[in-house]
Amino acid sequence: GNSVTQMEGPVTLSEEAFLTINCTYTATGYPSLFWYVQYPGEGLQLLLKATKADDKGSNKGFEATYRKETTSFHLEKGSVQVSDSAVYFCALVYSGGYQKVTFGIGTKLQVIP
Amino acid sequence: DVKVTQSSRYLVKRTGEKVFLECVQDMDHENMFWYRQDPGLGLRLIYFSYDVKMKEKGDIPEGYSVSREKKERFSLILESASTNQTSMYLCASSFALAGLSYEQYFGPGTRLTVT
Repeated sequence: GNSVTQMEGPVTLSEEAFLTINCTYTATGYPSLFWYVQYPGEGLQLLLKATKADDKGSNKGFEATYRKETTSFHLEKGSVQVSDSAVYFCALVYSGGYQKVTFGIGTKLQVIP
Repeated sequence: DVKVTQSSRYLVKRTGEKVFLECVQDMDHENMFWYRQDPGLGLRLIYFSYDVKMKEKGDIPEGYSVSREKKERFSLILESASTNQTSMYLCASSFALAGLSYEQYFGPGTRLTVT
């Protein structure tokens, strides 16, 4: 079956540090890949996505590249801010069908001033 | 803006009570989903619905049922609440056009405590 693997954290960084959150997946075929973010007390919201190999998704300074050869979709940001403190979920979904999503466990990021 | 609303942010119920969690979306989405979120386990799919009156079991349906009588509304029912159902419950919705992958839109969540 499909699965998504990411570290749970917490990841603690100082403001302006470089962020990488690793995400690898196991799936048959060619899924679309997503990063969702959950700020404290809120539901999840889409951060970025990529629908095919070598696509790069980007939003709010975050980037992730769909690497089919390494089955990875690592999230990066060059300079984190305190406001980026949240839980980040990697996810995959197949087009068509019922759009069921497979989520990773979520990585908690804490950015300190 | 897409909006997914959930009937309560916080709910406290007693063991054995019947509990209803309501979710409403305003974007005419075909798909609706119920998840529970627990520390160390991430999001787990309880049930989903791809059309009115249609439902499919997710990964952890035991102890839950659902109802979708109108396209915009998807209810999660705990027939007899138990303490192990204390959790954060998240509702989500999405389009369902074949051949494309759509993001899911989430509600703010309901934190349910069963005592």
